[in-house]
This record gives sequence, structure tokens and C-alpha cells, in this order.
Amino acid sequence: DAGVIQSPRHEVTEMGQEVTLRCKPISGHDYLFWYRQTMMRGLELLIYFNNNVPIDDSGMPEDRFSAKMPNASFSTLKIQPSEPRDSAVYFCASSLPRGSRGGDEQFFGPGTRLTVL
Amino acid sequence: KQEVTQIPAALSVPEGENLVLNCSFTDSAIYNLQWFRQDPGKGLTSLLLIQSSQREQTSGRLNASLDKSSGRSTLYIAASQPGDSATYLCAVRRSGTASKLTFGTGTRLQVTL
Repeated sequence: DAGVIQSPRHEVTEMGQEVTLRCKPISGHDYLFWYRQTMMRGLELLIYFNNNVPIDDSGMPEDRFSAKMPNASFSTLKIQPSEPRDSAVYFCASSLPRGSRGGDEQFFGPGTRLTVL
Repeated sequence: KQEVTQIPAALSVPEGENLVLNCSFTDSAIYNLQWFRQDPGKGLTSLLLIQSSQREQTSGRLNASLDKSSGRSTLYIAASQPGDSATYLCAVRRSGTASKLTFGTGTRLQVTL
């Protein structure tokens, strides 16, 4: 398996623009997580899905952020409008169903480095 | 609210040394604990996962221990190599919160020749 795939790897945009980050989880994984990493706050969970359904979005910073998972193999994280303080590395991770062998282990993608000017 | 602390924040050791990285958490009601490695500009690689019922896990030169009652975990790296240079993060999953992980701030390790 190719692992978790994220695109783009780098994104530079201007304040006010819409940004869409994409993630393809590992096939067979039914949990998908979006994280944000900054120097100041470290790694923070934004939202996670189980079987394409959002379970906990309490980490989403504000209404400018939204996430969708239209099917088991694709998810998006959208920021509209973007602001300079959104600059960070955004990671997607996936894991197997709970209770399955190795089900609690999360596997991370390479991340998207977002810079908002 | 669960807080996870890692000490030291940075560590530099000569090649060949054995070393210990520390992770502490404030809420001992955890489901499991996971150690990750992060290389500069890269994603996280899972190293070891310890369930709350376990005391330790081993993988090659890595050994992770868990003392749930005292809220501590250690990652032991034997015979360190320059290739071990990276940031090491621990993350805990609290009981009853499905798969939500709380991460520590990491220990940046440099192994010198």
C-alpha cells in the first residue's frame, strides 16, 4: 500500500483565498483524522471521521474551517477565507477499525505545508 | 484535560550511547500510548503502541515502557545511530474517547558521529 496520500505537499496562498487540502487514507482504514502542527501549539487534532461520518470536530478552530469525507477513499479540509495565522503543516492520518488487529495505530501522511501571506 | 509533557525538549548524544526519552501525562485513565518519530519536513512514523494493560513493547533497538498509575512512559533507544536523529513524540489515547490522541511536544534527538 502507498500509505496515506496528501496533496498538495506545499501550498502558498494569499490571505482571503480559499484553500483545499486533500487526503486519501490507506485502503481498508475506516478512521480518518486531520491534524495541524505549529511550533507554538504542537500537533492538534482538528476533526476525525469514522466510516465517512464526522465524529468529533471540537478541534476545528472556527467556521472558516470545514472538512468532508464523501467516500471511504477521499477527504478534504477546506479553509475559506484563509488567514496568515492558518499557516501550519496539516496532516492526515488513518487507522483500522477499533478492535481489529493493529486497530488503534494511526498512520500519518507526509503533510501539507500551508503558507498564507 | 489531558496534558502530555516530554522531557528533555532536545538531546544530543554521541553515537553508540543508550538513551531514554521521557513522556508524562496528567490523566492516567488512558486506553493506550503511542510513540512516533518525525523527521524534518516529514510526517510521523509510528514506532510502538502500548496498550494500557501492557508494561512494555519492544521493536529492534527500541523499548517503550508504560507506568499508567504514575502517568509515565519511557522510550529506550539502545546503541544510538546518526540515523536515529529525529523528533520523537508520544501520544496518549484516553479511555472512552474512541481514537482521539493527545500529543506531547516532542524531544528533538541528535546523534553525533
